[in-house]
Amino acid sequence: EAQVTQNPRYLITVTGKKLTVTCSQNMNHEYMSWYRQDPGLGLRQIYYSMNVEVTDKGDVPEGYKVSRKEKRNFPLILESPSPNQTSLYFCASSFGWPTGELFFGEGSRLTVL
Amino acid sequence: AQSVAQPEDQVNVAEGNPLTVKCTYSVSGNPYLFWYVQYPNRGLQFLLKYITGDNLVKGSYGFEAEFNKSQTSFHLKKPSALVSDSALYFCAVRDDSSNTGKLIFGQGTTLQVKP
Repeated sequence: EAQVTQNPRYLITVTGKKLTVTCSQNMNHEYMSWYRQDPGLGLRQIYYSMNVEVTDKGDVPEGYKVSRKEKRNFPLILESPSPNQTSLYFCASSFGWPTGELFFGEGSRLTVL
Repeated sequence: AQSVAQPEDQVNVAEGNPLTVKCTYSVSGNPYLFWYVQYPNRGLQFLLKYITGDNLVKGSYGFEAEFNKSQTSFHLKKPSALVSDSALYFCAVRDDSSNTGKLIFGQGTTLQVKP
């Protein structure tokens, strides 16, 4: 089954404790992206990757890192999480950029205390 | 810079009535426009897109959208709403003149369909 898989789905952590949210897609998509969803703000793009070893900032990259060492995986790293990073995070992938639609994971709800 | 606006936080319609969820956009070049739907505790699902060609685009679950270049709008429509259409709807835009990987989403509109 074609899918984008995120882990963990739910996480409660404390300020400053490094964490990684993994994202994997099995559709051989070149394009991948991370978004955060906050009430009233919609989805805001954090980082995206057009291909392996190619990543770039979205609109809200501060406090996040990403890497794209292989096509299927695009982990999101929070080196020192803060409470303002409490949010719902979505990973997505796409074929045929820029006209192809996005396929989304189920989301990762992160709470930073 | 590209931007997209969904002017209504919530739209309420009765089952069986037509529905419209509004979206306006701003881009430097030509727009690539998308609609997505999010059901509770789920990821977003693609509904339809406009890339080029016919201004009326048909998509999943009986939804359609009309691209209006002069009004810079891409409103989502359905002739007869179902209770199961109740969800959060997002409009998104890419600028074809941009060589970045950016895709901008609106703030979302909650559709409530009442029996």
